[in-house]
Amino acid sequence: SQKIEQNSEALNIQEGKTATLTCNYTNYSPAYLQWYRQDPGRGPVFLLLIRENEKEKRKERLKVTFDTTLKQSLFHITASQPADSATYLCALVPFTYKYIFGTGTRLKVLA
Amino acid sequence: EPEVTQTPSHQVTQMGQEVILRCVPISNHLYFYWYRQILGQKVEFLVSFYNNEISEKSEIFDDQFSVERPDGSNFTLKIRSTKLEDSAMYFCASSEMANSNQPQHFGDGTRLSIL
Repeated sequence: SQKIEQNSEALNIQEGKTATLTCNYTNYSPAYLQWYRQDPGRGPVFLLLIRENEKEKRKERLKVTFDTTLKQSLFHITASQPADSATYLCALVPFTYKYIFGTGTRLKVLA
Repeated sequence: EPEVTQTPSHQVTQMGQEVILRCVPISNHLYFYWYRQILGQKVEFLVSFYNNEISEKSEIFDDQFSVERPDGSNFTLKIRSTKLEDSAMYFCASSEMANSNQPQHFGDGTRLSIL
């Protein structure tokens, strides 16, 4: 069955550094991959989408890469701030209506 | 910015009772979804809904669950006879299209506690 794994349960970094989060998937070849942010007690909020034929996508301080050979996506936050502290989820979407979410990586940016 | 709203924010129910969770999706969206998130675990797909029909459902969405769009704005999830293991956050989401390149817009959830 399709499986998504995100690296480590928690990631602590110093303010100003670049945070890199990993999303690996198996038994699946998605056309798109999405990244969401989730704050405690809130619903996920869409951040970025990347297509299989795009190697990289940027939005302000965010950057996503997509390597279909490695079956991996990397999510980077540059010049990180304490306000970036949250759980980040990757999501794959098969060619149906069903979204599959990863377990999420909890990021904490230390001031 | 338009948003998805869910009510109530917290629902406490006795085991075996029926519960209805309510959602108002974004007005021009056509596709609606329910997800479940057990405390500390991942967001799990339950069901998707389009044109007054279920499009897809997961193995979690058994006969105890049903969805309905009773009018032009509300989208509901009903659990007929709740179990302890139904305790979770339930998120409603909507999207303009069902294409996998469409972001989903989530509400802030209903925390369901079964006693």
